Amino acid sequence: LAKTTQPISMDSYEGQEVNITCSHNNIATNDYITWYQQFPSQGPRFIIQGYKTKVTNEVASLFIPADRKSSTLSLPRVSLSDTAVYYCLVGDLGAGSYQLTFGKGTKLSVIP
Amino acid sequence: DVKVTQSSRYLVKRTGEKVFLECVQDMDHENMFWYRQDPGLGLRLIYFSYDVKMKEKGDIPEGYSVSREKKERFSLILESASTNQTSMYLCASRTNSYEQYFGPGTRLTVT
Repeated sequence: LAKTTQPISMDSYEGQEVNITCSHNNIATNDYITWYQQFPSQGPRFIIQGYKTKVTNEVASLFIPADRKSSTLSLPRVSLSDTAVYYCLVGDLGAGSYQLTFGKGTKLSVIP
Repeated sequence: DVKVTQSSRYLVKRTGEKVFLECVQDMDHENMFWYRQDPGLGLRLIYFSYDVKMKEKGDIPEGYSVSREKKERFSLILESASTNQTSMYLCASRTNSYEQYFGPGTRLTVT
């Protein structure tokens, strides 16, 4: 299983762009990179997923360099409601595979 | 909308009791998961099921068992609850794609 390393916590002011980097040095060829968001007392919620280069959706962007040994979740212009724990996952998404390991997550605190 | 429901939000049990945590999903997903979440440790996978009656051990299966008799239902069983199993338990389901859908969680306290 590819192990992931993220910062334990980050602070940001409202309106700023936030970048959270995840390290996954032993990522395998078939592995995808997925990010989840979790609010207190709720289950995690899917944000974005990618394999290489850049992926963008309505809430975030995901940057993956060519060697795929790291990835960066970018949240544009954060608000107080973005205060949450963000998890980076790396794993094979094939049928019958459970190879998705959650790390310890990054606690993002958005300050007014 | 995909919905994953868990039988209880809060549960208090005594040491040695047999505990059943139920999870139901309504989107015909093949894959279902049980995690526990503890402060400072993130989410850890207990068991995984990729089909009816099929199961695979996750990272921390000791002290737990599971049952999947129907596609929509995945049960986690604590045969003899212990205090170190006090935790938040999260169920999830997914198709053979990337997005897991999580239930609201069950906070279990074993006294």
